[in-house]
Amino acid sequence: QVQLQESGPGLVKPSQTLSLTCTVSGGSISSGGYYWSWIRQHPGKGLEWIGYIYYSGSSYSNPSLKSRVTISVDTSKNQFSLKLSSVTAADTAVYYCARESYGDYAYFDYWGQGTLVTVSS
Amino acid sequence: EIVLTQSPGTLSLSPGERATLSCRASQTVSSNYLAWYQQKPGQAPRLLIYGASNRATGIPDRFSGSGSGTDFTLTISRLEPEDFAVYYCQQYGSSPRFSFGPGTKVDLK
Repeated sequence: QVQLQESGPGLVKPSQTLSLTCTVSGGSISSGGYYWSWIRQHPGKGLEWIGYIYYSGSSYSNPSLKSRVTISVDTSKNQFSLKLSSVTAADTAVYYCARESYGDYAYFDYWGQGTLVTVSS
Repeated sequence: EIVLTQSPGTLSLSPGERATLSCRASQTVSSNYLAWYQQKPGQAPRLLIYGASNRATGIPDRFSGSGSGTDFTLTISRLEPEDFAVYYCQQYGSSPRFSFGPGTKVDLK
C-alpha cells in the first residue's frame, strides 16, 4: 500500500519561500510509471493542481504559478519536494502531495493527509 | 483552459435516497480523462471514479459514473451515512493539465 506524507513548516512569512517535502512509502518513486504531484486547497475552497515531477527529474507546473514553483525529487530518499517563492496570504492553503496515474487514464490514486501552511507575519 | 462546473452546489438528501451529481465542462473532455473524488472534512480527497465510469479499487458499486463530451454524472444509488461529503470532478488534458470542479456538497436533509 503506497503512502505519502507531507512535512514542512506550518507558518511562512510573506515574501518568503514555502518549502514542503513528500515522503513516499510502500512504493519506489524510481520505479517509474507515475508522476508525483502537488495539489493545494484554499480554506473552504476547491482543489488547485500545482505541478508534477517524474523520477527522472522532469517537471511541469501550473502556468498560473509557474514562475514561483520549483519541484524536485530525491530518489535516494524516496521523496519529492515543493518550493513556492514570494508567498502571500493568498498562498495559505492545505497542501497535498499525490501520486498521478497516467496513460490511458489520468487521476490521483494516492494522496497524503495534507498539511496546512499559513502565510502570515 | 477547460473550466468545470458542478451542480447543484449543495444536495440535501436522506439516507437511502439516490444522489445525482453533475459535472459540466466548458469544452469537450475525453471520457478517459474525467475522474470523481469524495472528500470528507479534514481528509484528503479519495478517488471514486476514473475514466468517467470505472470504479476505483474498493469503491462500492452504489457509486457509478457516466457521461461523455461536456456532460458527466456521478450517481450514488442509495446513500449510506458515510456518503455525506463533498464530491469533486477532475479533468486532465489542456493547460493547466489538471483542473477540478468547485465541488458538490451532499448533506443530510
